[in-house]
Amino acid sequence: QKEVEQNSGPLSVPEGAIASLNCTYSDRGSQSFFWYRQYSGKSPELIMFIYSNGDKEDGRFTAQLNKASQYVSLLIRDSQPSDSATYLCAGAIYNQGGKLIFGQGTELSVKP
Amino acid sequence: DAGVTQSPTHLIKTRGQQVTLRCSPKSGHDTVSWYQQALGQGPQFIFQYYEEEERQRGNFPDRFSGHQFPNYSSELNVNALLLGDSALYLCASSLGQGAGYEQYFGPGTRLTVT
Repeated sequence: QKEVEQNSGPLSVPEGAIASLNCTYSDRGSQSFFWYRQYSGKSPELIMFIYSNGDKEDGRFTAQLNKASQYVSLLIRDSQPSDSATYLCAGAIYNQGGKLIFGQGTELSVKP
Repeated sequence: DAGVTQSPTHLIKTRGQQVTLRCSPKSGHDTVSWYQQALGQGPQFIFQYYEEEERQRGNFPDRFSGHQFPNYSSELNVNALLLGDSALYLCASSLGQGAGYEQYFGPGTRLTVT
């Protein structure tokens, strides 16, 4: 079982819709979670991070964490074509310092 | 505010050769982590440097080694290159080495081994 799993997609949503990206993790020692956006041919860009159960909102983005279910999600409201990219979920485990464990990424396509 | 920088941008090497990649962290950051990203995959953690010492290491062979300098910049060295080492090598910096610190990535070095 992979430590961090994501659906590879592609996930296609119409412009203006809500895009929902999901991630599950296997290690209950995972302490914090990070969402990165990666455009084709570019490096990952940090969008949001979350440490506590519940929701965290930043502009059009909402991260959700449910430690009991070992589930992390990212909602993108009012999706724009410029949001089309691969979204990477990463977890950091308490006793493994700054080692980030990434999922394989979900490709999002926002259609005008 | 200068972000993370990496050099070179692209590199082509032959099997068996050695390569050195360089990284300068974001201003104010003291910790550097290196990742390898194969095409279509998420980044894989290689190792992390803090206070000029390797603090964490992923599942990579000893052919992969690194160094951190007093100014927090870092190098990644790969010896005896294999075709499978072809990938995007990413450097990330953070303020601190713990699990709760955000890591910011540089533009990466694309390594091609022929």
